[in-house]
Amino acid sequence: DIQMTQSPSSLSASVGDRVTITCRASQGISYSLAWYQQKPGRAPKLLLYAASRLQSGVPSRFSGSGSGTDYALTISSLQPEDFATYYCQQYSTITKTFGQGTKVEVK
Amino acid sequence: QVQLQESGPGLVKPSQTLSLTCGVSGDSISSGGYYWSWIRQHPGEGLEWIGFIYYSGTTYYNPSLKSRTSISIDMSENQFSLKLTSVTAADTAVYYCARSNPSEPFDYWGQGTLVTVSS
Repeated sequence: DIQMTQSPSSLSASVGDRVTITCRASQGISYSLAWYQQKPGRAPKLLLYAASRLQSGVPSRFSGSGSGTDYALTISSLQPEDFATYYCQQYSTITKTFGQGTKVEVK
Repeated sequence: QVQLQESGPGLVKPSQTLSLTCGVSGDSISSGGYYWSWIRQHPGEGLEWIGFIYYSGTTYYNPSLKSRTSISIDMSENQFSLKLTSVTAADTAVYYCARSNPSEPFDYWGQGTLVTVSS
C-alpha cells in the first residue's frame, strides 16, 4: 500500500492567516491526490482533486500544488469556517489510502 | 442531488457480524460508471478505506480487511451493503459509504453511522 504522511498533525492559526499543509506519498502518485475537509460529527468534504483542481463550490482561497510524491494544500486567508481537520488521499492505486489528518485550530 | 444514507445496528457483540446498508438516491447504481465504497473512521483517528463494489458486482477489498469483508449490491433497492465478520472492539468506528468514479476521489459521502462492538 502507498503510505501517506501529512504534516503537521495540528497547527494553530488566526483568521486571515495563510496556512499550508503538506502530504508526502511513499511512492509517486502522478497527481492522483485529493484533499478533504472534515468538521466534528460530519463526513469529509472533497475540496480538491488531481492535486490542484478545485471541486465545484469550494472557495478559491483553497489551492493545491505538488507532483511526484510531495503535495500541499494552502488556505490563502483562513476564515472562521475553515477550522477543521484536513486529510489528503491518494487514488493512484486501487487500494485508496489517506493521510492521518491535520487539525487546524484557533490560535 | 446525490445522497447516501447508512443504516444498520449501532451495537454489535464481539465475534458477530457487522452488517450495514447504504441507500442511494439521486443516482442509480445500475447506470454504471461509479464505484460504491465503504470507509471507516476509528474514534478520534483517520480514515480507512474498506472496499468497493461496481454495478457489475466486481468487488475489491482493502487487503488488511479482505478475509473478513463482503460487499454486495441490491440494484432493485438501489443500495449496497457491507458485512464484516468476527468483529472485535478494534472494529468500533464510524462507517461511511461513498461514491467515486474509477480512479477518482470520493465525491459524495453518507453522513456516517457509529458502530460499537461491545458485549
